[in-house]
Amino acid sequence: EIVMTQSPATLSVSPGERATLSCRASQSVSSNLAWYQHKPGQAPRLLIYDASTRATGIPARFSGSGSGTEFTLTISSLQSEDFAVYYCQQYDNWPLYTFGQGTKLEI
Amino acid sequence: EVQVVESGGGLVQPGGSLRLSCAASGFTFSVFWMSWARQAPGKGLEWVANIKEDGSEKYYVDSVKGRFTISRDNAKKSLYLQMNNLRAEDTAVYYCARVEGYCSSTSCYKYFDYWGQGTLVTVSS
Repeated sequence: EIVMTQSPATLSVSPGERATLSCRASQSVSSNLAWYQHKPGQAPRLLIYDASTRATGIPARFSGSGSGTEFTLTISSLQSEDFAVYYCQQYDNWPLYTFGQGTKLEI
Repeated sequence: EVQVVESGGGLVQPGGSLRLSCAASGFTFSVFWMSWARQAPGKGLEWVANIKEDGSEKYYVDSVKGRFTISRDNAKKSLYLQMNNLRAEDTAVYYCARVEGYCSSTSCYKYFDYWGQGTLVTVSS
């Protein structure tokens, strides 16, 4: 099983600041990595796939980078609606998926 | 507009059964793999099961193998999850998700592009 580890568990930032979230895989997943945003009571939302491709309708302030075992999600200038939990997910071992444990982005 | 809407959650006793449904609209259901995922209280997301477009291939996380069965009815644009012998640790919000991506000659690389809002399953006596 590929284990995904996210850091930090909680990130406290202010609106307008830059946020950098990390995700590490226990073995290489190439670029087969997605990022999701999840707010309480809502459907999770796909942000990034293939490590760096923004999904349809996702603002340009969200960017993804990395390959192999180290990945980063960057939010360039935080808006109030960006405070949520963010998950990375590997699909290199498809059809078996694993998620990271999540990073909570809070004010 | 692509939509998936889950239903069927509720309170069930340990050892009991429950069947979840997911109604799809706004896309050609029969050409997409579909998945179930869940989130236990205070925990992160966990993938549960996948099913191929025609239902001929199904995959499960180890913790539900032999107890859960994923199925679909393409004519009704619906996805199902039959859950038997439920345990307290199955308590979670269950999400239906559409699977998107591509396949090469050797493998496929697919992620979840649309999710529902979930349905809560509580296993308790």
